[in-house]
Amino acid sequence: NAGVTQTPKFQVLKTGQSMTLQCAQDMNHEYMSWYRQDPGMGLRLIHYSVGAGITDQGEVPNGYNVSRSTTEDFPLRLLSAAPSQTSVYFCASSAGHPSTDTQYFGPGTRLTVL
Amino acid sequence: KQEVTQIPAALSVPEGENLVLNCSFTDSAIYNLQWFRQDPGKGLTSLLLIQSSQREQTSGRLNASLDKSSGRSTLYIAASQPGDSATYLCAAARLEHGSGNTGKLIFGQGTTLQVKP
Repeated sequence: NAGVTQTPKFQVLKTGQSMTLQCAQDMNHEYMSWYRQDPGMGLRLIHYSVGAGITDQGEVPNGYNVSRSTTEDFPLRLLSAAPSQTSVYFCASSAGHPSTDTQYFGPGTRLTVL
Repeated sequence: KQEVTQIPAALSVPEGENLVLNCSFTDSAIYNLQWFRQDPGKGLTSLLLIQSSQREQTSGRLNASLDKSSGRSTLYIAASQPGDSATYLCAAARLEHGSGNTGKLIFGQGTTLQVKP
């Protein structure tokens, strides 16, 4: 199993550009989440999904969209990039509820918005 | 609002030393407490998960305890090794009322550990 994969690893955007961060898992996990990690702020939940077709907002959802058309994929879309979205983004998945089951994290995408 | 704090932010110890990492949370109504390890430039790896009804969990040289009444969790690392050098994060799963637990983890900022040979 590849586990949780994320692409790209690095990305530089200009303010106002849009892009999609890809996340895929091959463990048939129902739960998938997106976090951002910033110095001094820890990890913060952006959006999460409890299964295909079901998504919900986390702690910091503004400026981001998600969809879950398949169990395997959970892309994160930045609609109009802003410098405040410069961060490291992690995708995670778990078989059961994230609060009770082990979460598996991807290697992250380092995004810089100029 | 649940807040999770980890002190110290950084710790450096000689190899072989036993050490304790601290995690405190403000709201005792947590669902569980998890400890993660993060290596530089990598994602997080789950180490231990303690349910709210438990007091501790052990995995090899790691032991995590949970005291809900005092709002504290500790991660004990026995006989530390250079390979233990990493950032350790704790996360509390907040108990959501009404709609049930939605699995939202609140993370601390982490303690960066360096074990010197």
